[in-house]
Amino acid sequence: AQTVTQSQPEMSVQEAETVTLSCTYDTSESNYYLFWYKQPPSRQMILVIRQEAYKQQNATENRFSVNFQKAAKSFSLKISDSQLGDTAMYFCAFIVSGGGADGLTFGKGTHLIIQP
Amino acid sequence: DSGVTQTPKHLITATGQRVTLRCSPRSGDLSVYWYQQSLDQGLQFLIQYYNGEERAKGNILERFSAQQFPDLHSELNLSSLELGDSALYFCASSVNLGWGEQFFGPGTRLTVL
Repeated sequence: AQTVTQSQPEMSVQEAETVTLSCTYDTSESNYYLFWYKQPPSRQMILVIRQEAYKQQNATENRFSVNFQKAAKSFSLKISDSQLGDTAMYFCAFIVSGGGADGLTFGKGTHLIIQP
Repeated sequence: DSGVTQTPKHLITATGQRVTLRCSPRSGDLSVYWYQQSLDQGLQFLIQYYNGEERAKGNILERFSAQQFPDLHSELNLSSLELGDSALYFCASSVNLGWGEQFFGPGTRLTVL
């Protein structure tokens, strides 16, 4: 069974600062996907960024980037130039790839607060 | 807007009752997933359907069941409801199995009194 651990229940930074959210996971699989989802106060789950385990290059999406360390089973999210709208719960998630059937395994989330 | 729709948005019912939550996936998506989000358990995978067939089960209670219809919409049935079933229920869809990326609907907030 896979597990996902987010060790930071809450973080607070000033607007325009850079912040890094941590995520570690445990799996015996070699092919999988990792995701960061954002859940703002509206409760909508929004996909922020995706990383395929077979890709060595770290994924980036505008101000969002990841640091994927496969050997260490670490998948952190960096948010640059943070904005008030980035205030939300952030969930790290894992799923095995390769045509199998399964759901996402989520961490418990990090509540990120961007202060003006 | 993810393209995934869920109805109703809110549902308030009493213990012992039965409710049905409905989900329509994004156009072209064959796989539907159901998740439960509660304060106690966090986000948990319940069940997955692919093109009408059940493909995977997570932490779904025996009192809960689901199905996916020929038009690919899905329903989650919750019966003999208990206070602890109060939660936000999400539906998500993806193009195919093993594709990874799932798009979430807005959720149904269930309150059991």
